[in-house]
Amino acid sequence: DTGVSQDPRHKITKRGQNVTFRCDPISEHNRLYWYRQTLGQGPEFLTYFQNEAQLEKSRLLSDRFSAERPKGSFSTLEIQRTEQGDSAMYLCASSTTGNEQYFGPGTRLTVT
Amino acid sequence: RKEVEQDPGPFNVPEGATVAFNCTYSNSASQSFFWYRQDCRKEPKLLMSVYSSGNEDGRFTAQLNRASQYISLLIRDSKLSDSATYLCAVNPLGGKLIFGQGTELSVKP
Repeated sequence: DTGVSQDPRHKITKRGQNVTFRCDPISEHNRLYWYRQTLGQGPEFLTYFQNEAQLEKSRLLSDRFSAERPKGSFSTLEIQRTEQGDSAMYLCASSTTGNEQYFGPGTRLTVT
Repeated sequence: RKEVEQDPGPFNVPEGATVAFNCTYSNSASQSFFWYRQDCRKEPKLLMSVYSSGNEDGRFTAQLNRASQYISLLIRDSKLSDSATYLCAVNPLGGKLIFGQGTELSVKP
């Protein structure tokens, strides 16, 4: 399967813990995006990279959130000091510049 | 006002019906437009890009009206398997996508 992959698929954590998610994009795609989706809503943009460069961050991305794409391939999204409001599906997508975005299966985070 | 708004759902239609969804966007400089399909607890899957001239893929037709700032999706001859949430997405500046809240479609036998 050469699509976008995400790991883990599910994560249950206690409030205050740190969590890290990984995304592997489609191999030839230079852009990688992170979104968050809660029940009954469309995905909300968090941040995106073009190669290694983080080009945009949403104001939704508080200072507890950090994302990296160190070698321009896979990316990680870390949430520090998780809160119950962080419970959501975290979706990663990739694209070539300016083209259609393809999503991975997501990481479902539950903060208890 | 939200940047991208969709028809409220759910839409409940019988098999074989034609159903249309509309989506309005607020940024007149938006560059590209898409429809995604999302099944319950799954990721969004790209259904169609929406071009200025309109485009068709089998039973699905997408149209763009830049003057009125809306896009539409028409599904003809609905199948049970079309039941899903349909998300419109707008690319305002060539990077991120802004999504509507989604419209749920339920096709009944």
